[in-house]
Amino acid sequence: DAKTTQPPSMDCAEGRAANLPCNHSTISGNEYVYWYRQIHSQGPQYIIHGLKNNETNEMASLIITEDRKSSTLILPHATLRDTAVYYCIVRPRIYNQGGKLIFGQGTELSVKP
Amino acid sequence: DTAVSQTPKYLVTQMGNDKSIKCEQNLGHDTMYWYKQDSKKFLKIMFSYNNKELIINETVPNRFSPKSPDKAHLNLHINSLELGDSAVYFCASSQVGSGGPSYNEQFFGPGTRLTVL
Repeated sequence: DAKTTQPPSMDCAEGRAANLPCNHSTISGNEYVYWYRQIHSQGPQYIIHGLKNNETNEMASLIITEDRKSSTLILPHATLRDTAVYYCIVRPRIYNQGGKLIFGQGTELSVKP
Repeated sequence: DTAVSQTPKYLVTQMGNDKSIKCEQNLGHDTMYWYKQDSKKFLKIMFSYNNKELIINETVPNRFSPKSPDKAHLNLHINSLELGDSAVYFCASSQVGSGGPSYNEQFFGPGTRLTVL
């Protein structure tokens, strides 16, 4: 079972920041927070991950609360192409034999003109 | 260049048939996965292979048999297809080990939509 809780859907105006929340209150010390997204009819795509510090890359920013029980994915300037289902996943950073991703229901983000 | 490719993209077949789906990755990764996405859009891991060895088998019926001839390929053979096998099957790959921030992210293929009639 997924260890995260996300709102089922959100809307965002094009050009505005999209803030997608995720609750992971049972996260353990060696578990990372990963975000993937799935654009309609495509395979999931990695976005970003973090442990406890905030992270930023060319796609998004990840803000993790100090107690690590929740996080927010931020798409700073959402475009229509960002319309997708966003998955927040908690899992250990595996160093030896890879690891499965446990997907929850995710948040369906609709970016509107 | 396609990183993770799957064939076929669509597969329509009758109940009871046997079919295979192929996956290839050109990323040099050593771990490959099969996921199943059902009609309710739930994505679930089925199998994982690391260096051609099975490391994850998530209580999938033994009608499903993955085979990894080499690190770049992971095929999925399904015997005696049932209606409930209709789904989109995604292949993925990743490179394990410590290192930079991109390690362990999984790269997914475009999916194979299987319809069993």
